[in-house]
Amino acid sequence: DIQMTQSPSSLSASVGDRVTITCRASQSISSNLNWYQQKAGKAPEVLVYGSSSLQSGVPSRFSGSGSGTDFTLTISSLQPEDFATYYCQQSYRTPYSFGQGTKLEIK
Amino acid sequence: QITLKESGPTLVKPTQTLTLTCTFSGFSLSTSGVGVGWIRQPPGKALEWLALVYWDDDKRYSPSLKSRLTITQDTSKNQVLLTMTNMDPVDTAIYYCAHNYDSGGGPFDSWGQGTLVTVSS
Repeated sequence: DIQMTQSPSSLSASVGDRVTITCRASQSISSNLNWYQQKAGKAPEVLVYGSSSLQSGVPSRFSGSGSGTDFTLTISSLQPEDFATYYCQQSYRTPYSFGQGTKLEIK
Repeated sequence: QITLKESGPTLVKPTQTLTLTCTFSGFSLSTSGVGVGWIRQPPGKALEWLALVYWDDDKRYSPSLKSRLTITQDTSKNQVLLTMTNMDPVDTAIYYCAHNYDSGGGPFDSWGQGTLVTVSS
């Protein structure tokens, strides 16, 4: 199975900050990496798919990059509505595993 | 517009079998590349991928749960069922179903609202 490891597990930041979350796969997954945002009490929503493609309707302040085993999600200027938990997920090979999540909190 | 909704019991006893139904609209599970997956999330914990059924009825399971899971589709009713046997309190979680495309290579781009299943005697 492919293990997905996110860092950090939690992060405190302020509105307007630039934030980067990292996801590492235990083996190469090409560009088959997706990022989700989950707000409290809600289902996850996809932000970025295929490592760097922005899902329709997602603000351009979100961006993804990486290939192989190392990936990043960057939020260029944090907005109040961005405080949530973020998950990476590999869609290279089943089981399509998720990372453990990164909780983004207001500083 | 794609929508999915999970339904099933909210409370099951240990050792019982859980059956959840995902009823969807806005797409056909007969379309090449399309899949419906199940993902769960214990309270306060991370997402866990459980199973996926593809348009061609290919089925994939989490290896750690494979012996307990069965995923089936009823194309005529636009439903996907997930059965989990021998339920245990550690299986208490919100269970989500979600739409997938690109033969699994794409993301889960539409999710149901989730249904909380509690396992307790």
